[in-house]
Amino acid sequence: GENVEQHPSTLSVQEGDSAVIKCTYSDSASNYFPWYKQELGKRPQLIIDIRSNVGEKKDQRIAVTLNKTAKHFSLHITETQPEDSAVYFCAASIGPGANNLFFGTGTRLTVIP
Amino acid sequence: DSGVTQTPKHLITATGQRVTLRCSPRSGDLSVYWYQQSLDQGLQFLIQYYNGEERAKGNILERFSAQQFPDLHSELNLSSLELGDSALYFCASSTPTGGSEKLFFGSGTQLSVL
Repeated sequence: GENVEQHPSTLSVQEGDSAVIKCTYSDSASNYFPWYKQELGKRPQLIIDIRSNVGEKKDQRIAVTLNKTAKHFSLHITETQPEDSAVYFCAASIGPGANNLFFGTGTRLTVIP
Repeated sequence: DSGVTQTPKHLITATGQRVTLRCSPRSGDLSVYWYQQSLDQGLQFLIQYYNGEERAKGNILERFSAQQFPDLHSELNLSSLELGDSALYFCASSTPTGGSEKLFFGSGTQLSVL
């Protein structure tokens, strides 16, 4: 099955700086890559996703890049704010169904005011 | 609000007991998924139901079972509870879009086994 690795496990940045979280996947058939944000004690929420036919996608201060050849994708958060502090999970999907959606182990981002 | 409703929010019970967690998916979503999240751990997929039928199984223990009813709500039953079953249990629902799943999570049930 698919194996998704996520780095770093923890990340601290100063407010206003950028944060980058990286994930690699093993199955070249993976074609959908969502990112979820989980604030402390709350539910994971989809913040951005990208499909394998696109190399980059932006939504305001967040962006995701995908390198299919290298089988890695990254989340970029610019101009970080304290409310960006959360655990971020990447995932890779090789098709419909949660059994085909594999999560990374999460990155705890702390934005220092 | 994701539209996925989970009850109860908190559950405290003792070892050896049995509990039932309940989930109502978003309106129109046919799939319900259950995930377990232990302290500082990632999301472990347990089981998926689609329109009343079991669709996929993940790392679900034999002591755990689930079902999805005709009105599409789902229940996760945890029996012979052990201390290690203490975790946050999430339900999620989705409707496939473009060959992939966009999951919408409920607020979770925090289970504490004492």
